Amino acid sequence: QVQLVQSGAEVKKAGASVKVSCKASGYSFTGYSIHWVRQAPGQGLEWMGLINPSSESKTYAQKFQGRVTMTRDTSTSTVYMELNSLRSEDTAVYYCAREVGYCISSGCSTSGPFDPWGQGTPVTVSS
Amino acid sequence: DIQMTQSPSSLSASVGDKVTITCRASQDISNYLAWFQQKPGKAPKSLIYAASSLQSGVPSKFSGSGSGTHFTLTISSLQPEDSAIYYCQHYNSYPYTFGQGTKLEIK
Repeated sequence: QVQLVQSGAEVKKAGASVKVSCKASGYSFTGYSIHWVRQAPGQGLEWMGLINPSSESKTYAQKFQGRVTMTRDTSTSTVYMELNSLRSEDTAVYYCAREVGYCISSGCSTSGPFDPWGQGTPVTVSS
Repeated sequence: DIQMTQSPSSLSASVGDKVTITCRASQDISNYLAWFQQKPGKAPKSLIYAASSLQSGVPSKFSGSGSGTHFTLTISSLQPEDSAIYYCQHYNSYPYTFGQGTKLEIK
């Protein structure tokens, strides 16, 4: 089945970096973009950006520009998200998710909903 | 950036009831709108895409409608397992943004 499995929980000091992995299985890795979304404790969902594993093109949310780097390894079907200069506000659960295009009666779209999501990786930043 | 605003922020309903959650976009997003369900400690789950298309495997008690800037998610025949936070998200253009969420409690 289609699955995204993320790396385990991380605890980091302020100012450090964290690198979270997301391993895809059950589908053609290069056929779908992978997005990253984070959720601070008790808060909503925040979109961070995406990577196209085929072209390696990336788009980052402006808020994270200069601090986030998304990469991929096609040999292991794994996507990585590295966040630098961590601060306490970066404490959150980080999710990867596959974007799925679709066709309906009105036409086809290459953009689409996120399905599935990884299980989430808690990142705690301590000062 | 396109802002997504959900209402209400929370609601309480009884088993068997039908509820409707509203999501408004700050500009026209056509039908590039998805709905997700998130239960405590779990990743979000896709329910609806293209504003009204049901994700495979999702029960027909969930339905979506709308286009442009106004969208709704309706859940009928509420059961205890429908207790969750529901989010809308647009995918019209980057950055994709989410609504702030609607917490549904089943009495």
